[in-house]
Amino acid sequence: DADVTQTPRNRITKTGKRIMLECSQTKGHDRMYWYRQDPGLGLRLIYYSFDVKDINKGEISDGYSVSRQAQAKFSLSLESAIPNQTALYFCATSDSGQGRSDTQYFGPGTRLTVL
Amino acid sequence: AQSVTQLGSHVSVSEGALVLLRCNYSSSVPPYLFWYVQYPNQGLQLLLKYTSAATLVKGINGFEAEFKKSETSFHLTKPSAHMSDAAEYFCAVSYSSASKIIFGSGTRLSIRP
Repeated sequence: DADVTQTPRNRITKTGKRIMLECSQTKGHDRMYWYRQDPGLGLRLIYYSFDVKDINKGEISDGYSVSRQAQAKFSLSLESAIPNQTALYFCATSDSGQGRSDTQYFGPGTRLTVL
Repeated sequence: AQSVTQLGSHVSVSEGALVLLRCNYSSSVPPYLFWYVQYPNQGLQLLLKYTSAATLVKGINGFEAEFKKSETSFHLTKPSAHMSDAAEYFCAVSYSSASKIIFGSGTRLSIRP
């Protein structure tokens, strides 16, 4: 079984709809992240969480919110989806034990299309 | 501000040829540097990372990268390309103790038969 899973893998929605992307991990890591990937822009950090009570904005948090329901679960919500949120979304985890050299482990991604 | 620049959004080499993917970083503190690979329809996985030990870092699948402080570079190489190396490659830098990583824009590697 995969260590970091994301659901759904693909989603098509309409402008104005609320949508939630879910991430679960079995690695036992305390740190979790949400990124979006756009062609030619690499990955950009949306939100990150270092434990259940710690939530932080990344560089592109506007229009998104997150919830850390448990150490193993971190969900990303789009309150009112818009077409420019069409992208590939990745969840990642890391273990705080390594400090700045933390390796991040990625889920398989969710392809979101907003019409 | 810390940043990562990958030169060339697309690189094409023949099977068996040298692979060279370029990465330059800007950092006001000693950086931790990473190369990740993304195969089609998959998430990213770590190829290798530099954490201030040896400047030549060996990774998986025959890849290696050399940290050159004087050139602020961390280029990725492989002596002989294989068809299975076709993927997108991302260079990244860790810029704080908060485990946050800045990714480059990626380089798509194609392998010609």
